[in-house]
Amino acid sequence: AQTVTQSQPEMSVQEAETVTLSCTYDTSESDYYLFWYKQPPSRQMILVIRQEAYKQQNATENRFSVNFQKAAKSFSLKISDSQLGDAAMYFCAYSWSFNKFYFGSGTKLNVKP
Amino acid sequence: EAEVAQSPRYKITEKSQAVAFWCDPISGHATLYWYRQILGQGPELLVQFQDESVVDDSQLPKDRFSAERLKGVDSTLKIQPAELGDSAMYLCASSLVAGGGQETQYFGPGTRLLVL
Repeated sequence: AQTVTQSQPEMSVQEAETVTLSCTYDTSESDYYLFWYKQPPSRQMILVIRQEAYKQQNATENRFSVNFQKAAKSFSLKISDSQLGDAAMYFCAYSWSFNKFYFGSGTKLNVKP
Repeated sequence: EAEVAQSPRYKITEKSQAVAFWCDPISGHATLYWYRQILGQGPELLVQFQDESVVDDSQLPKDRFSAERLKGVDSTLKIQPAELGDSAMYLCASSLVAGGGQETQYFGPGTRLLVL
């Protein structure tokens, strides 16, 4: 069964510094997709970054990058130069067939000015 | 930028009453998803539609929940009768197609349900 685990319920980072959010998953598939979504307070979830498992190169999107370790089934999100607007719940998600998403329990990120 | 619309945003009801939520996906998106998100947890899929057909409703409590997407566009999720444990955020999402897992899902703002 596919499971996604986020072991950090809450994290804090100082503005302008770097923070890494962890995610591990369990699957027996070889081709799949991984996503990080951001859910700001009282606002909708938006896609931050996605990674195709067949690609060895780690995805990057501006200040957001991932460290994808396929053998270890690990998919961490690094946020550089943290901004106040980055404060939100972050969800890691896995998908492989028919676009069924499996979400982790989330990490609440606090950004301190 | 096109967005997924949901209404109402908030709903308070008493247990044993019926409630309904509405979702309008991004135009052209064939796949529509309903999720339930309990406070402090990640979203859990309730039902997935491809056009007007149900693709996956394995986690939908069918004794009280129903969902439809009659014309393959907007969708309604209904709970009858509502129970205290149904208090949660109900999220709707859409994607272009179901595909092999690579399609990004776009989420609406959600409906927060409180059952008293």
